[in-house]
Amino acid sequence: QQQVKQSPQSLIVQKGGISIINCAYENTAFDYFPWYQQFPGKGPALLIAIRPDVSEKKEGRFTISFNKSAKQFSLHIMDSQPGDSATYFCAASKGGGADGLTFGKGTHLIIQP
Amino acid sequence: DAGITQSPRHKVTETGTPVTLRCHQTENHRYMYWYRQDPGHGLRLIHYSYGVKDTDKGEVSDGYSVSRSKTEDFLLTLESATSSQTSVYFCAISETYNWGGRNTEAFFGQGTRLTVV
Repeated sequence: QQQVKQSPQSLIVQKGGISIINCAYENTAFDYFPWYQQFPGKGPALLIAIRPDVSEKKEGRFTISFNKSAKQFSLHIMDSQPGDSATYFCAASKGGGADGLTFGKGTHLIIQP
Repeated sequence: DAGITQSPRHKVTETGTPVTLRCHQTENHRYMYWYRQDPGHGLRLIHYSYGVKDTDKGEVSDGYSVSRSKTEDFLLTLESATSSQTSVYFCAISETYNWGGRNTEAFFGQGTRLTVV
């Protein structure tokens, strides 16, 4: 049972455009929703995270939109740059995350110059 | 990389042999995790630890065991490696705060690429 579904698997966006990656979750006990960015040969690194008491969080060019009733959340990358080319993972956890994260399958993002 | 060292970084081993991967942290974080990453599957939790000698199973724990005898070290053992355990293994650490505070960030190591032939 896949508890966090992520789409699309791959995405190509022109430089300066908006990249959008979507995730849906099933477990209503989840209460923490981070996005991780991973470059080839590296471990994932936290990009931005949200808790369900807010509907949106923005940090620079990165925004998470959260829809609790639909059990969906998305990552928006504004003014996408070639340096944003990476694999992005959404994730979810419950109870402070002590028992680990449940990840989506990842999105391979390519920003074309 | 938040003071996390995984060793070895690369390993090739034969089917049926035991393998131990090591994760060492210098952050004194309470929680440690082992994930595996496979194409098309994202990252999946194998085992985690919430303190010295306190461990629990994750989503894909079959065929793996772990030990944590010191705060800084978390070992992942494949008792008898199989080709299905060919993967990239990541260790992560975190420290959980009270509900009213900031949710913990999980910091990941650089990964260990394991090939079972």
